[in-house]
Amino acid sequence: AQKITQTQPGMFVQEKEAVTLDCTYDTSDQSYGLFWYKQPSSGEMIFLIYQGSYDEQNATEGRYSLNFQKARKSANLVISASQLGDSAMYFCAMRSNNAGNMLTFGGGTRLMVKP
Amino acid sequence: DVKVTQSSRYLVKRTGEKVFLECVQDMDHENMFWYRQDPGLGLRLIYFSYDVKMKEKGDIPEGYSVSREKKERFSLILESASTNQTSMYLCASSYKTRGVDGYTFGSGTRLTVV
Repeated sequence: AQKITQTQPGMFVQEKEAVTLDCTYDTSDQSYGLFWYKQPSSGEMIFLIYQGSYDEQNATEGRYSLNFQKARKSANLVISASQLGDSAMYFCAMRSNNAGNMLTFGGGTRLMVKP
Repeated sequence: DVKVTQSSRYLVKRTGEKVFLECVQDMDHENMFWYRQDPGLGLRLIYFSYDVKMKEKGDIPEGYSVSREKKERFSLILESASTNQTSMYLCASSYKTRGVDGYTFGSGTRLTVV
């Protein structure tokens, strides 16, 4: 079975600073994908970034980057130059390619950006 | 843009009622999912479907059933609603292929059972 752990229920960050949201995962599969989603107060889930287990380079998408450490089974999200609009819930999720197409989610981290 | 539409944003139902939550997607996705979201627990998978009339149990199927008679529609059914089913329900869909190809989520239905 897959398990995702996000150990930070809530975090504050000063506007324009960088912040790292932690995610560790547990799987015995060799082939899997890791996702980060943002959920603002409006409720929709917004896809941010994806990392495949065989990707050699860390994924980046604009201000988002994923610090993938396979041996440690961690996939931390780094947001650079935080903006007020980054205040939201953030979820780490994993899809095991041997377990169908379902996503397993962590408990989430609420990020609050201070002006 | 792919759209996943959930029929209701907010619902209030009484204990014991039969409740239908509807989800429709417009991009011919094979896979559809129902998740339940509770504070501190993230999203937990209730049921998913990879084809018409096919369904698989997720992590927390008890008290729920699903129906997929057409490819674009995936319904979640609470046969006899209970107060512990008060939650946010999210529907999602995806292609069968691997990789980053997206999971698209609906806006959610906040269900309150009184």
